[in-house]
Amino acid sequence: KQEVTQIPAALSVPEGENLVLNCSFTDSAIYNLQWFRQDPGKGLTSLLLIQSSQREQTSGRLNASLDKSSGRSTLYIAASQPGDSATYLCTTGGQAGTALIFGKGTTLSVSS
Amino acid sequence: ETGVTQSPTHLIKTRGQQVTLRCSSQSGHNTVSWYQQALGQGPQFIFQYYREEENGRGNFPPRFSGLQFPNYSSELNVNALELDDSALYLCASSSPSDGNTEAFFGQGTRLTVV
Repeated sequence: KQEVTQIPAALSVPEGENLVLNCSFTDSAIYNLQWFRQDPGKGLTSLLLIQSSQREQTSGRLNASLDKSSGRSTLYIAASQPGDSATYLCTTGGQAGTALIFGKGTTLSVSS
Repeated sequence: ETGVTQSPTHLIKTRGQQVTLRCSSQSGHNTVSWYQQALGQGPQFIFQYYREEENGRGNFPPRFSGLQFPNYSSELNVNALELDDSALYLCASSSPSDGNTEAFFGQGTRLTVV
């Protein structure tokens, strides 16, 4: 049974810092890995999707890496801004069409 | 291209009542999944519908049921509501049969059971 763990659970940084969020998973037989952002009480916004054959994806100030063999993914946020404050969720997908397995998330607070 | 939309956004029900939540999938997506997110937790998979058939189910009791319509929109029905059913209910759409495995979520329905 796949388990997804995100560390740290919470993180507070001053504006401008570069930071790394970590995600680990127990079953390396994943189809893809997706990072989401969630604002309080809101739905999920997709940030980056990494297919199992890929090593990383980049979008603007965000870079996500995937190491299937070690069961790890990282989300790198460059030059953090107060608007980046949110909960970041990592999820793995199995075969096409199966359930996404979520971690509990990392709650990020960026102060100005 | 329209995104995933859910209705209503908020709902208050009494224990024992029944509730129906609705979801319109993103244009071109044929698969809809429902998730329950309790406060401070990650979303938990309830079930998935593909071409109007249930295509996978999580560890939820039968009083959680669903439907998918020919236009790929979907409903989540919960009978005999319990206090622990209070949560944010999220709908996600994708089209894995077309090779598009990226999931897109709606804004959620906040259900409060009193």
